[in-house]
Amino acid sequence: DAKTTQPTSMDCAEGRAANLPCNHSTISGNEYVYWYRQIHSQGPQYIIHGLKNNETNEMASLIITEDRKSSTLILPHATLRDTAVYYCIVSSYSGNTGKLIFGQGTTLQVKP
Amino acid sequence: NAGVTQTPKFQVLKTGQSMTLQCAQDMNHEYMSWYRQDPGMGLRLIHYSVGAGITDQGEVPNGYNVSRSTTEDFPLRLLSAAPSQTSVYFCASSQSGPGGYTFGSGTRLTVV
Repeated sequence: DAKTTQPTSMDCAEGRAANLPCNHSTISGNEYVYWYRQIHSQGPQYIIHGLKNNETNEMASLIITEDRKSSTLILPHATLRDTAVYYCIVSSYSGNTGKLIFGQGTTLQVKP
Repeated sequence: NAGVTQTPKFQVLKTGQSMTLQCAQDMNHEYMSWYRQDPGMGLRLIHYSVGAGITDQGEVPNGYNVSRSTTEDFPLRLLSAAPSQTSVYFCASSQSGPGGYTFGSGTRLTVV
């Protein structure tokens, strides 16, 4: 599975959009981009995933560049409860067998 | 619908003792996996399973055994506990195909 690169930490003002970038320049054609977050010491929470089209759900939007080498997770109106570590993970569909490999993620601090 | 249930939530073991961490899911998910998370670190994959009777090793399998006799259960066995196995253990499950994993709330294990 392709590796991902994320900034170590980011700040965001409460009520503003949080834009979390992820670089996955070695992504292959059958690999999806997944985003998870972990709030404090809880279990990770699935946010969203996509292959090449932009995706949106009730939690966030995922923007994938046309060459698929990078993506951005957007939390449209960040709240204090969105403070968490956000993980960008690339994993193939055919290999979606439990091998979800986590990196270090981005620590997002939402400030009042 | 309970999701992914892990027991116990907390455990203290003496060096050399063995124990089994329990994980059960009620969503009829095919894929299940175990992760460990050391303080201040990301999650590392221990073992995973793509269905009943099928398991495979992840990034850090040494010192742990798994089996998958039913779709619902995926226990993790520590053969002879060591202080280096002090960690938080998370179990996760997913249906086959692209999609998000559901994580349990974790088992906090201390080996003294």
